[in-house]
Amino acid sequence: EVQLVQSGAEVKKPGESLRISCKGSGYSFTSYWINWVRQMPGKGLEWMGRIDPSDSYINYSPSFQGHVTISADKSISTAYLQWSSLKASDTAMYYCARAPRGDGYNYFDYWGQGTLVTVSS
Amino acid sequence: EIVMTQSPATLSVSPGERATLSCRASQSVSSNLAWYQQKPGQAPRLLIYGASTRATGIPARFSGSGSGTEFTLTISSLQSEDFAVYYCHQYNNWPPWTFGQGTKVEIK
Repeated sequence: EVQLVQSGAEVKKPGESLRISCKGSGYSFTSYWINWVRQMPGKGLEWMGRIDPSDSYINYSPSFQGHVTISADKSISTAYLQWSSLKASDTAMYYCARAPRGDGYNYFDYWGQGTLVTVSS
Repeated sequence: EIVMTQSPATLSVSPGERATLSCRASQSVSSNLAWYQQKPGQAPRLLIYGASTRATGIPARFSGSGSGTEFTLTISSLQSEDFAVYYCHQYNNWPPWTFGQGTKVEIK
């Protein structure tokens, strides 16, 4: 069974750093992209970026470039999303989602359960 | 950036009735269009990819159509478990991949 299991909810203060994780199982982790998607409270879905775990090649959305860092450790089938200095506006649910490789196949077929990040002083 | 516009924002439907949701792209995305369902407190779930191919395990009452800039998701006979928010997603032109703002299907 394909599963993406994300780390638990976080409560942080502005200016703090944070790394959340997404662990894949039940499939070849290096054969699919891992994407990160933000959902702010009561709002829609926003694509943040993706990583190819086989070689850590990364694409960022222009809206998120420079604000977050995506990485992966293929030895433990885990992808990460991290912030060096959180802002209150980073409060949101963050999802990881798997996408097949290849042009025309970049839909998100499996999703993690989400990690709620709350940033408040 | 390709802008995806969904309509209507809210659709009120009685159980057993047909629901038709629309998604329009600001430029052609070919057939690289997916639909997701999201229920409160849950992650999105893939329903349709390639504009018209049902994902594994998705009931036949869900169907997708369209290409280029105009797409439709049809739920032929709404069941109680289908009341949710639906998002379209283009994966043809990036960066970035983009989503519509969502259509909420509610009980009439």
